[in-house]
Amino acid sequence: NAGVTQTPKFQVLKTGQSMTLQCAQDMNHNSMYWYRQDPGMGLRLIYYSASEGTTDKGEVPNGYNVSRLNKREFSLRLESAAPSQTSVYFCASGQANTEAFFGQGTRLTVV
Amino acid sequence: GEDVEQSLFLSVREGDSSVINCTYTDSSSTYLYWYKQEPGAGLQLLTYIFSNMDMKQDQRLTVLLNKKDKHLSLRIADTQTGDSAIYFCAETPLFSSGGSYIPTFGRGTSLIVHP
Repeated sequence: NAGVTQTPKFQVLKTGQSMTLQCAQDMNHNSMYWYRQDPGMGLRLIYYSASEGTTDKGEVPNGYNVSRLNKREFSLRLESAAPSQTSVYFCASGQANTEAFFGQGTRLTVV
Repeated sequence: GEDVEQSLFLSVREGDSSVINCTYTDSSSTYLYWYKQEPGAGLQLLTYIFSNMDMKQDQRLTVLLNKKDKHLSLRIADTQTGDSAIYFCAETPLFSSGGSYIPTFGRGTSLIVHP
């Protein structure tokens, strides 16, 4: 029972570098989400995908791009990393308005 | 837009009851959730309540919903040190946004349990 799998678990980037965070779910969910978690700020939605082939901006999309490659996979790309993007990133998936299932998170530090 | 508010910290003594409170603004919410996040981990569903219910009990957990005041609470009886974590309140709307029922989360309440 893998659920939602995120890679990598940890990453350190230099300012200006790019990287892609990978997320895959095996629960056949239509919706997938990317959140960032910062101290005292809770979870903020970056982008979401209601179904394969569609993506939409969330609360804090600037500096990020996403791709819903297929029903299972939803990746998050940082084209030119900035220190303000130091955070913990969570991918989640869900079906209709029932619970969301979360990955274990990616801890990203931009120096 | 929708908003979910929680206090940021709660400290209790082991064996006491903990009550974590949450208020929300979306009157069309269908499900209201409590998630638990342990250090270094993702969020895991703890319990949920459907919006037409007033109370739900599950072992040491009791969820109370006051729909008129849009107030949700989570009571943990006989709190243990293993209950130390961040607890998130969340709600999902009745209507989808472009086909997705985007969950809205509170900022999380850090529960500290001391001996």
